[in-house]
Amino acid sequence: AQRVTQPEKLLSVFKGAPVELKCNYSYSGSPELFWYVQYSRQRLQLLLRHISRESIKGFTADLNKGETSFHLKKPFAQEEDSAMYYCALRTNAGKSTFGDGTTLTVKP
Amino acid sequence: EAGVAQSPRYKIIEKRQSVAFWCNPISGHATLYWYQQILGQGPKLLIQFQNNGVVDDSQLPKDRFSAERLKGVDSTLKIQPAKLEDSAVYLCASSLLGTLSYEQYFGPGTRLTVT
Repeated sequence: AQRVTQPEKLLSVFKGAPVELKCNYSYSGSPELFWYVQYSRQRLQLLLRHISRESIKGFTADLNKGETSFHLKKPFAQEEDSAMYYCALRTNAGKSTFGDGTTLTVKP
Repeated sequence: EAGVAQSPRYKIIEKRQSVAFWCNPISGHATLYWYQQILGQGPKLLIQFQNNGVVDDSQLPKDRFSAERLKGVDSTLKIQPAKLEDSAVYLCASSLLGTLSYEQYFGPGTRLTVT
């Protein structure tokens, strides 16, 4: 069965510092990986997906199949990045599995 | 476009009672998901519909949980009877298709407290 692990429950950085939120996965097939974000009092929403190889709000994530990781990175964190971040995996059959999330706090 | 709607937003019941949640997905979205999110954990998929057929319900506790999707649009999730461990936020999401890289759009969730 597939599994998504986010090893850090809490992550705190200062404004302007680089930030990396870790995500590791296990899945025997070829996965689709996503990062979802939930800002305070808002709905869970898609941040980015690996297949698009896009940068959203300055965030990027690279799928590393050798290390089975999909870490989320941003070179200069902003206070508005403070939120809960979830890594998610979708299998070939379309089933989604989420990690337990990382709460990011960006301090002024 | 209107987002995914869910009701009620909050519900408090006693154990062994029944409860039902309703979800209206985004118009035209064929795939509908129900997730259970226990405090401190990520969303756990309970059931996934494609139109009105079930794609995956492997993690649905079928002895007490049931779900249906009427005419491939709205959906209801029912718990009967509820247990204390069912206290969680129940999230509904929808997407255009289930097997391609289309994003899931989430509703605001229903917070259930079982006492």
